[in-house]
Amino acid sequence: EAGVTQSPTHLIKTRGQQATLRCSPISGHTSVYWYQQALGLGLQFLLWYDEGEERNRGNFPPRFSGRQFPNYSSELNVNALELEDSALYLCASRLQGGGPGGAKNIQYFGAGTRLSVL
Amino acid sequence: GEDVEQSLFLSVREGDSSVINCTYTDSSSTYLYWYKQEPGAGLQLLTYIFSNMDMKQDQRLTVLLNKKDKHLSLRIADTQTGDSAIYFCAESPSYTGFQKLVFGTGTRLLVSP
Repeated sequence: EAGVTQSPTHLIKTRGQQATLRCSPISGHTSVYWYQQALGLGLQFLLWYDEGEERNRGNFPPRFSGRQFPNYSSELNVNALELEDSALYLCASRLQGGGPGGAKNIQYFGAGTRLSVL
Repeated sequence: GEDVEQSLFLSVREGDSSVINCTYTDSSSTYLYWYKQEPGAGLQLLTYIFSNMDMKQDQRLTVLLNKKDKHLSLRIADTQTGDSAIYFCAESPSYTGFQKLVFGTGTRLLVSP
């Protein structure tokens, strides 16, 4: 079974441009999460999508947005790129449903997209 | 509030046991996770524990949870050079519906031959 896949692996942009990052969840998973891993800032929760809707977002400006498609894949868009947006962006997927317990509360991560803003 | 803390660095010799520690602040029922990140890679789930458990063992990995002190540890038995990586502790508080992961800073484990 394929895991979470992200593309591209690396992305180089200049300040002010827009970046689009893509994520395909594990088959059957309906929730997609985005995290930013910036140097010195650790892993920060960005966005959560489920069934095509944005369910929650972290403490990030509106320049960070995204969407989830009917096939549950997701895009993260970062507008008006700034130098400090340079980071590894990680996508995770999860099988929703059921109460606390077991594998349904596990987020599985992709390998990430490394965004460099010059 | 949400805060997860870890020591930054641990160095051990091959064959020794490694113990990586983590403290968290959320007092609600929660899931706690250990993820491993190798250079240039994403996060690999190692193991997880629910806050009503004290211990979980999975092959070379043992997780101990002290709920009173909000302290979580990961013990790796017979540590190998391939275990060298960054280890992240994370919690998923119940008030978020177990949806959001709050990560620690990560502990870099270096295993020398």
